[in-house]
Amino acid sequence: AQTVTQSQPEMSVQEAETVTLSCTYDTSESDYYLFWYKQPPSRQMILVIRQEAYKQQNATENRFSVNFQKAAKSFSLKISDSQLGDAAMYFCAYRGSNSGYALNFGKGTSLLVTP
Amino acid sequence: DADVTQTPRNRITKTGKRIMLECSQTKGHDRMYWYRQDPGLGLRLIYYSFDVKDINKGEISDGYSVSRQAQAKFSLSLESAIPNQTALYFCATSAPLSPTGNEQFFGPGTRLTVL
Repeated sequence: AQTVTQSQPEMSVQEAETVTLSCTYDTSESDYYLFWYKQPPSRQMILVIRQEAYKQQNATENRFSVNFQKAAKSFSLKISDSQLGDAAMYFCAYRGSNSGYALNFGKGTSLLVTP
Repeated sequence: DADVTQTPRNRITKTGKRIMLECSQTKGHDRMYWYRQDPGLGLRLIYYSFDVKDINKGEISDGYSVSRQAQAKFSLSLESAIPNQTALYFCATSAPLSPTGNEQFFGPGTRLTVL
């Protein structure tokens, strides 16, 4: 089974600054997808960004971007110009072809944004 | 209206009670999933279903059962609840052959407490 590791249980960033959340994964597959989900206190799971493994170009969504290193099996999330509303739990997730294309999640990183 | 709904949103029950969590979706997706979230552990897969006649166990299916009553409905049951089943439960859907096939859509979650 694929494993997803988020090595930072908690991170803190000042408003308007940049922060990077780390994620590594283990897989023998060549075709897969990677995701970052945000979970605010409302507990809703919100998709932040996705990356297809076959694409070399890193995905970007407004202030959110990823650094996808396929050979290193690394998928970090960079949040630029951090805002108070970015404070949440962030989960890295892997989707391969096992288990009906279910998601394998990391344990999450709690992001605190300070004024 | 929400595309993926879960009922109840919160539930407190006692050890040994039977409880059912329900999930409905209006997205027309064929695949549905149940995940469990525990603090510090991320989300883990309980069961998944490809269609009404195809149900599969996930990583942590012991103590749970499911029913896919229709394409749009997928219920999770705890036959005899125990305290370590206290968790946040999420239903999700996907449709791999659609343009958003690599993405899962989550319900709002059900907070279950077993006393």
